[in-house]
Amino acid sequence: DTEVTQTPKHLVMGMTNKKSLKCEQHMGHRAMYWYKQKAKKPPELMFVYSYEKLSINESVPSRFSPECPNSSLLNLHLHALQPEDSALYLCASSLPSQETQYFGPGTRLLVL
Amino acid sequence: AQKITQTQPGMFVQEKEAVTLDCTYDTSDPSYGLFWYKQPSSGEMIFLIYQGSYDQQNATEGRYSLNFQKARKSANLVISASQLGDSAMYFCAMREVPINFGNEKLTFGTGTRLTIIP
Repeated sequence: DTEVTQTPKHLVMGMTNKKSLKCEQHMGHRAMYWYKQKAKKPPELMFVYSYEKLSINESVPSRFSPECPNSSLLNLHLHALQPEDSALYLCASSLPSQETQYFGPGTRLLVL
Repeated sequence: AQKITQTQPGMFVQEKEAVTLDCTYDTSDPSYGLFWYKQPSSGEMIFLIYQGSYDQQNATEGRYSLNFQKARKSANLVISASQLGDSAMYFCAMREVPINFGNEKLTFGTGTRLTIIP
């Protein structure tokens, strides 16, 4: 089973709100990723966690704050976002010995 | 410099026909991985097929095969007997071997939107 779940599916928030995106996998994967995808564009990597430690931050603004509480769970905390942050946010995970990243269904975020 | 190039923004194919989606890549690393993902309008990125740079044979997964031509740096996806459900955006991606686990980065092409015509 290669299932990554993400909640919520859709999120609308104002620029002063604080919200969180959640990603979960129970496949024993030890790397987890956040991607941002704007309409008609490919996904862009934001963060990588490896064994629950942040290993890559692609110079993402601090209004995005990732968290990996355990090996199965990945959160993305959102605060004071801008309308241009509206996008599809995809989570992915992979095994240490495999190259393939498996993606979740994404959260469609709209910032008003 | 663009590392993954998909030159076909859109393609229209008759149902049941085979279709080839083009992908070329650029890397100086001898060890790398190539992937194809399908993204329907729902948004989920669905893994289709993987080819390692040292794999001798072309990868196949059901109706999907990867035409890997290393010297030409191309990794085209071939879908046999296309179906209406194949209509989606298709992304080619490359992973260059990281120094250590946890630094994996996928570089995606710009994608090809495939539409299957009944």
